[in-house]
Parts: sequence; C-alpha cells; structure tokens
Amino acid sequence: GAGVSQSPSNKVTEKGKDVELRCDPISGHTALYWYRQRLGQGLEFLIYFQGNSAPDKSGLPSDRFSAERTGESVSTLTIQRTQQEDSAVYLCASSRGLARNGETQYFGPGTRLLVL
Amino acid sequence: TQLLEQSPQFLSIQEGENLTVYCNSSSVFSSLQWYRQEPGEGPVLLVTVVTGGEVKKLKRLTFQFGDARKDSSLHITAAQPGDTGLYLCAGARSGGSNYKLTFGKGTLLTVNP
Repeated sequence: GAGVSQSPSNKVTEKGKDVELRCDPISGHTALYWYRQRLGQGLEFLIYFQGNSAPDKSGLPSDRFSAERTGESVSTLTIQRTQQEDSAVYLCASSRGLARNGETQYFGPGTRLLVL
Repeated sequence: TQLLEQSPQFLSIQEGENLTVYCNSSSVFSSLQWYRQEPGEGPVLLVTVVTGGEVKKLKRLTFQFGDARKDSSLHITAAQPGDTGLYLCAGARSGGSNYKLTFGKGTLLTVNP
C-alpha cells in the first residue's frame, strides 16, 4: 500500500507568514508523529497523536506551533508568524498502533520549509 | 535531556572497505533503533535492538547494543556505493513515553566507487 505522504514537498515563505503542512499517514495506522530536522541536526520530536487520546504536545518549541489530526487520518502542522529559525525539514511518521519498543515508525519524505 | 552522540559525523571511504559507526549516551535506553536516510527522503528503519549485548545482522550490516544499553555500533563490511546515506541512531525511553525517540545527529557516509 501507499506510504506516508506529505505536502507540500517544499515551501518557501516570508518571515511573519503562517504555513500549514499536511501529512497523510498509512491507512489503518493509529499513531502519528511530527518531527523537525534542522540542517546538521538529528530529528527533534514535536508532537504525537494516538487514536482518540489527547496528543502529546511536549515537543512543540513555542506557541506558534500547533497540530491537529482528524480522527485517525490526516494531520496538519501549522506554524504561525514564521521565523527564520523555523527553516527545517518537517517529517511525519505513522505506526500501526500504540508505540512500544520496536514498533516501527514509517516516515514520509518530509516538507522542506525555508523562511526568508 | 537524553543525548545520543554519533561518531564520526562524516565518513568517506572506498568501495570494499569496512567501517564502524558509533552511537553513545550517558543514559540508558530501553531500545535503540538505526535508520538510514537518503537525500529528499525520510529515515527508513534498519533494525531495533532491545537486549543489552544483543547483536543483529542484516546482510553486510552488523548492529550491536552495549551491555549497559547506553551505546550501540553499526559495522558495515565491504561497503558499496548503495550504502551511501545518513545513518541515524535513535533511543527509546522506558515507560509510557517510549514513543519519544531521541535521535543522534547522524553519520553521513559516502562510499566512493
């Protein structure tokens, strides 16, 4: 079946503008994750959705970042009033069920965000 | 914050050579995963190690989890150009937040033909 898809693949925006990034997880995957990958850095956990449970938002770097998920499908990550330091690759991943040791997270190709 | 240090950061070798990449931490992880990421793509899981001292082999790749579950290594035998990519290690905590992976910065491997 289809893997995790993300859109847009690239986004260039001006400082201060809002951006919305989209993630379509693998069908049937109840868990969804967002990560940020800055140049030369590892992946930073941002937020985790699991079914109908309250999301774990502990990784969101500021209140300019928010994310929503509709049921067990599409998720959107919104960055308001973008700053240059928000420039990064934003990766989405999904997994089959409740994350446990060894549970495989399947990553999308990412959205490359450049804030000018 | 549980940090994972990867070394070396960059590695450029000739086809056929062997190499080892290291992933170290002062903290204990309940499991550790290795990913490979190619340009323009997301990371792809290679292996998960769970037990201290565990060794797993995937064709020419050998993964080891340290006895104390604080470190891991990835050894590639007879590297090929297709092995080129960014290798990331990621550790999971124990308990209810074990979905929160802590990633290292990665080792960028280039295998020259």
